[in-house]
Amino acid sequence: GENVEQHPSTLSVQEGDSAVIKCTYSDSASNYFPWYKQELGKRPQLIIDIRSNVGEKKDQRIAVTLNKTAKHFSLHITETQPEDSAVYFCAASGSSNTGKLIFGQGTTLQVKP
Amino acid sequence: GAVVSQHPSRVICKSGTSVKIECRSLDFQATTMFWYRQFPKQSLMLMATSNEGSKATYEQGVEKDKFLINHASLTLSTLTVTSAHPEDSSFYICSARGTGGYFYEQYFGPGTRLTVT
Repeated sequence: GENVEQHPSTLSVQEGDSAVIKCTYSDSASNYFPWYKQELGKRPQLIIDIRSNVGEKKDQRIAVTLNKTAKHFSLHITETQPEDSAVYFCAASGSSNTGKLIFGQGTTLQVKP
Repeated sequence: GAVVSQHPSRVICKSGTSVKIECRSLDFQATTMFWYRQFPKQSLMLMATSNEGSKATYEQGVEKDKFLINHASLTLSTLTVTSAHPEDSSFYICSARGTGGYFYEQYFGPGTRLTVT
């Protein structure tokens, strides 16, 4: 079935360092890959997304790369700040074209001042 | 733009009762709405997908007779948890997708914290 694996489950970095979170997906028909940041008790917030016709996308300190052949995509956060601390989820669109998203297990990022 | 609201934000109910959660798209027409459940320290698990005017499509393992979903208009979907039990206590989040510029992204509601005692 459709599956998204996300690693690592926890990540601790020093302020100013970079953080990388990786995801793999199972369905080769997936064509939309969003990343969300979720703070405790809040809704997921879209931070960046990428579609399958693009290999990389960058927005200030955040970038996402996509390797369709290997079916994996990664989130890169540079110059991390304490306010980047949160749970991050990757997701991949399902193959049924309904727009549904399959979420990864989440990564708890802690940025130490 | 693209605001989704949910009501109530928190609800406590007794075991055996039913609870209705509303999800509204405030400034766009939501042709598709999604309902998720999130247990503490876990990911979002899709429960069902609903299209306006159609029956919802439930994910495997989700009891459709227990979690009733109605998407009667392009701005409103409801989730009713029937005969709730303590194990149904969770964070329920809806999201909506529209057409045109609102097609690819899912816009999430703020979530409803359900506690069943």
